Order: sequence, then structure tokens, then C-alpha cells
Amino acid sequence: AQKITQTQPGMFVQEKEAVTLDCTYDTSDPSYGLFWYKQPSSGEMIFLIYQGSYDQQNATEGRYSLNFQKARKSANLVISASQLGDSAMYFCAMREGYVENSGGSNYKLTFGKGTLLTVNP
Amino acid sequence: GAVVSQHPSRVICKSGTSVKIECRSLDFQATTMFWYRQFPKKSLMLMATSNEGSKATYEQGVEKDKFLINHASLTLSTLTVTSAHPEDSSFYICSARNYRLAGGPYEQYFGPGTRLTVT
Repeated sequence: AQKITQTQPGMFVQEKEAVTLDCTYDTSDPSYGLFWYKQPSSGEMIFLIYQGSYDQQNATEGRYSLNFQKARKSANLVISASQLGDSAMYFCAMREGYVENSGGSNYKLTFGKGTLLTVNP
Repeated sequence: GAVVSQHPSRVICKSGTSVKIECRSLDFQATTMFWYRQFPKKSLMLMATSNEGSKATYEQGVEKDKFLINHASLTLSTLTVTSAHPEDSSFYICSARNYRLAGGPYEQYFGPGTRLTVT
């Protein structure tokens, strides 16, 4: 089973409108972190927002907010007031567990397949 | 803030040659670095985890003799694609783990990537 599922290969939104990018995850580990990254055509991975599994409140960072529904195992990204510069690939990722001195493998990020967002003027 | 660099950003090589890609953490020590591969419009696939001073841990299906990883210092990891072929053409991205920020959102920083084209 896929650990991170992004069901929207592509999304379109009008400039200044809000858009929600879906992400569901699968883990049996009680301790995990969820990330959203933006990847423009240049290829760099830009960190947007993070939600820890024990965080009580949904994360927000400027125009980005994460709709964290733990029981449903979903972590959707909401972008408010879309801008043309938001057009990019968006990846949801998960890091499972944290065990000190356990070696590198516990810090791996697992990525979803991504959603290509296009903002129309 | 923390920065991770990669060199070169783009490389074109002939089939059969080897190519070395460097990943450096510029203002923090990275005991662990990760190497990813990304095909066009696809996701990042973890190739290997590189630990300073020890052998890299490769993901299933990744040829360790094909993709040589060396993590000789706390700020440098290298990926060498040996005897490259056109099917090795891809975007390679490294990330470095800042253990001082372990467990939080800023634990890993990504490099800008290297686009490899094998002709």
C-alpha cells in the first residue's frame, strides 16, 4: 500500500481564489510528521508547511494552511488567494517515527506522486 | 538559514563515462544525507541514505555498484554514476539532515538538484 496518496495529478485555480490539494497517508506509527513541498520548474524543493502527529492545531504559514484530520489520515494543503507564482508541482511527504541514534533510515521522507497546480490569470 | 548546495547543476556526458555529483551542507554538519532521483513529472524516489564515515544504505532495487556514494566528511557527500547510460538520465536531488534540529520541520534541507543527461 502506498504510504502517501495524492489523488489529483493536476489542479487548476483562478488567480486570487483558494485551492485545496489532497493528501492521505498510511502509517501505524503514532509519531510522524507530514510535510508539503513546492517544486517549481527550476526543480528546487521548497518547504511550505509541517504538521506533527501530536500537534493539536492545524498548521498555518501565511497563505498556506494544512487541514489535518488525523482520524481520516488526511493532510490537505489549502492555498488561499492563489497567485500566478503558485503554479508548480506540490508534494506531500511523511516522515515516520523518531528514534534517537537509530541510524539514517528512520528519518526518511516518503513522497506522494505530486499534484501539478496551474494558476490561471 | 541552512543551505545545501549541489554541483554541478547540469551535466551532459557520453554513454559509458562516470559522473560525480557533490552535495554540501554549507552552514551545518550533516551526519546523514539522502540521495533522491526524480524522473520528469514524477515523484522523488529515495535511492540511498548516506551516513558520514560508514557505508551508504541503498533502497531496494538501487544498484550500489552503479551509484557509488561516499560521505567522507560532515559537510560533503558525493554520488558517482558509473558507466552512465541514457536510462540514467534524470534529476538527482540530495538532502542533508541537521541533527541539531532533529524531529522538527527543518530537520532536512534539500539541494537544488543536478540534471544529468547521458547521450
